[in-house]
Amino acid sequence: DAGITQSPRYKITETGRQVTLMCHQTWSHSYMFWYRQDLGHGLRLIYYSAAADITDKGEVPDGYVVSRSKTENFPLTLESATRSQTSVYFCASSENPGLAGGRLHEQFFGPGTRLTVL
Amino acid sequence: QKEVEQNSGPLSVPEGAIASLNCTYSDRVSQSFFWYRQYSGKSPELIMSIYSNGDKEDGRFTAQLNKASQYVSLLIRDSQPSDSATYLCAVNMGQAGTALIFGKGTTLSVSS
Repeated sequence: DAGITQSPRYKITETGRQVTLMCHQTWSHSYMFWYRQDLGHGLRLIYYSAAADITDKGEVPDGYVVSRSKTENFPLTLESATRSQTSVYFCASSENPGLAGGRLHEQFFGPGTRLTVL
Repeated sequence: QKEVEQNSGPLSVPEGAIASLNCTYSDRVSQSFFWYRQYSGKSPELIMSIYSNGDKEDGRFTAQLNKASQYVSLLIRDSQPSDSATYLCAVNMGQAGTALIFGKGTTLSVSS
């Protein structure tokens, strides 16, 4: 089915372990984003990507690594998980502004991954 | 620091009433404004986009934008219990590509 999917939906890990969260979209959107959502902080941007092999930091990038070898995939890796990284992680995508027409900057979200770091 | 501010609520309205949700933003050059609805345990769902000053209506929803006052609002007419959710205001402030800055959300409760 078309859309944006994330896996796993739930993950429990231990401090110090490496964890990779997957994001896949079928719209061929140029832009993809990773946000985390925490009580009291709302949604905060971790990393974003404008196209394959182009990534940049957002507001809270420390402790995270991203890659984008294919347009449709945008994995997020926690290199050494910490308890402060316990959160709900959302992936989102949007069309290239030059192609978006009247839907400039609209972002569409995946279902989220709830990550718990013990 | 570029910011988007919303009252956290909860905003409580009876069924059939008009719910009014407000949002202010800090960057005058912002060009794109959005309202997302988020049910508990679910992901944000885009319900309205607005780019020009004035009103934009879509069914029971009306978004209002005033760039001079740096203010955007969402009106929900004939509120239903199914409208009970957290509403997130989001603004593109021209940074980080097309990334959005989100407010912390207003929780709406519609009682039957």
